Amino acid sequence: DIQMTQSPSTLSASVGDRVTITCRASQNISDWLAWYQQKPGKAPNLLIYKASGLESGVPSRFSGSGSGTEFTLTISSLQPDDFATYYCRQYSSYASTFGQGTKLEIK
Amino acid sequence: EVQLLESGGGLVQPGGSLRLSCAASGFTFSSYVMNWVRQAPGKGLEWVSAISASGASTYYADSAKGRFTISRDNSQNTVSLQMNSLRVEDTALYYCAYGNGYWGQGTLVTVSS
Repeated sequence: DIQMTQSPSTLSASVGDRVTITCRASQNISDWLAWYQQKPGKAPNLLIYKASGLESGVPSRFSGSGSGTEFTLTISSLQPDDFATYYCRQYSSYASTFGQGTKLEIK
Repeated sequence: EVQLLESGGGLVQPGGSLRLSCAASGFTFSSYVMNWVRQAPGKGLEWVSAISASGASTYYADSAKGRFTISRDNSQNTVSLQMNSLRVEDTALYYCAYGNGYWGQGTLVTVSS
């Protein structure tokens, strides 16, 4: 099974900051990686697909990069609505796996 | 509009069984792999199981192998998860999902004596 290691687990930042979350795959997954945002009591919301594709309706301050085993999600200028938990997910095979999550907190 | 509506959750004792269902609409159900993903209270997302578009192939997380069975009915646009030998650690909100961006609202499974 492919393991996804996401870091950091918690990130404290301020409105306007640029933040980066990293996800590392235990083996090559090409660009079969998605990023989600989840808020309490809600289903996850897709931000990025295929490592760098911006989902329709998602603000352009969100961007994804990487391929193979190293991936990043960057938020260029944090907005108040962005404080949430973020997950990566690999879907290179039917047996998908998620990262452990990154809770983005207000500093 | 895509809709995924889960049902069947509830309170069950350890060792018991439960069958979850997901009714899908708004897309060509028979063309897509369907997934179950769960989230224990206060914890992260865990992929549980997937079934191919035809239903011929099924896939399970190690935590579900041998206890859970996924199935689908393409004539009824439904996917199900039969869960047997339930454990306290199976307590979670269970989501039905397809593609990357389509999720239901989840059905809560609580395993407790």
